[in-house]
Amino acid sequence: KAGVTQTPRYLIKTRGQQVTLSCSPISGHRSVSWYQQTPGQGLQFLFEYFSETQRNKGNFPGRFSGRQFSNSRSEMNVSTLELGDSALYLCASSPTSGDTGELFFGEGSRLTVL
Amino acid sequence: GEDVEQSLFLSVREGDSSVINCTYTDSSSTYLYWYKQEPGAGLQLLTYIFSNMDMKQDQRLTVLLNKKDKHLSLRIADTQTGDSAIYFCAWKDNTDKLIFGTGTRLQVFP
Repeated sequence: KAGVTQTPRYLIKTRGQQVTLSCSPISGHRSVSWYQQTPGQGLQFLFEYFSETQRNKGNFPGRFSGRQFSNSRSEMNVSTLELGDSALYLCASSPTSGDTGELFFGEGSRLTVL
Repeated sequence: GEDVEQSLFLSVREGDSSVINCTYTDSSSTYLYWYKQEPGAGLQLLTYIFSNMDMKQDQRLTVLLNKKDKHLSLRIADTQTGDSAIYFCAWKDNTDKLIFGTGTRLQVFP
């Protein structure tokens, strides 16, 4: 069974631009969560989607948004990029929400904002 | 609160035991977890412990939970170079989202 796939793996943007990151969960998984990982802040929860509905949201500004499609694939978008948005963005999927809590992570999309 | 604190760095000799500690401030989680992140990779679940347990052993891994002190630890016996990674404790908050600790970078030297 294929793992969680994130694209692109690496990207460079400039301040003010916007970016869209994609995540394909493990087949059969309906929950997708997004995390931002930085050296200073560690792993910060962005949002979780389950059956195309945002189920949970972290403390990020409205520039960060996401969505989930009917095939469970998810995208996140960051508009008006700032230098501080440079980070590794990790996507994780799980079979359902509210179970033992195991998340299956992708390798991440590393965003550099210049 | 949602703070989960871990020591930043741990260095051990190959073959020795490693102990990684985690102190949390909210004990509402049903499960507590340990995740491992190898260089250039995402996180993978190592093990988890049910909140009404004190200890769980899984091959070289031993998890200890002290709910009174809100302290979780992971012991790795016979540490190998392949164990070099960042280790995160994690738990679910009352909104069911997974919160991660600050991470401990384990370095194993020969």
